[in-house]
Amino acid sequence: QKEVEQNSGPLSVPEGAIASLNCTYSDRGSQSFFWYRQYSGKSPELIMSIYSNGDKEDGRFTAQLNKASQYVSLLIRDSQPSDSATYLCAVLLSGSARQLTFGSGTQLTVLP
Amino acid sequence: EAGVTQFPSHSVIEKGQTVTLRCDPISGHDNLYWYRRVMGKEIKFLLHFVKESKQDESGMPNNRFLAERTGGTYSTLKVQPAELEDSGVYFCASSYDSNQPQHFGDGTRLSIL
Repeated sequence: QKEVEQNSGPLSVPEGAIASLNCTYSDRGSQSFFWYRQYSGKSPELIMSIYSNGDKEDGRFTAQLNKASQYVSLLIRDSQPSDSATYLCAVLLSGSARQLTFGSGTQLTVLP
Repeated sequence: EAGVTQFPSHSVIEKGQTVTLRCDPISGHDNLYWYRRVMGKEIKFLLHFVKESKQDESGMPNNRFLAERTGGTYSTLKVQPAELEDSGVYFCASSYDSNQPQHFGDGTRLSIL
């Protein structure tokens, strides 16, 4: 079992729709969770971080965390073609190590 | 504020040669991380510096890889001798402290022929 799992997609949604991206993790003690957006050939760009159960909203983005189910998701409202990218879920596992563990990424395409 | 910068953006070398990658973290960030993504795989951790000290090098694949951060500013990652399986994208990231989110550079795409 992978430590962080994402549906690789591709995921296609029409412009203006809600895109839902999901991620599960195996380390029950994990405390910090991040969503990065990566355009082709560019750096992973941090778009959301979440540390507590529940929802965290930032503009059109909402991160949801459920530690009991070991599940973190990212919702993108009013999706735009410019949101088309690969979205990476990253988890800071429990313990002293500060390395991020990444999922394989979900490729999102927003269709005009 | 300048982001994390990496040089070169691309490198193509032959098997057996040596390559050195450079990373300049965000100014004031004591924590510097190296990661890499090989074809079709997830981004994987290589090592973590706090200032000039190696905090965690558990992800370094073998002794052909050498990372340094003299003076606690920029870092270099040398691969010597390069092998075919070393091809991939090497990312550098930095953070103010180890509990803060990490910010990534654009990566160096390394191709070994």
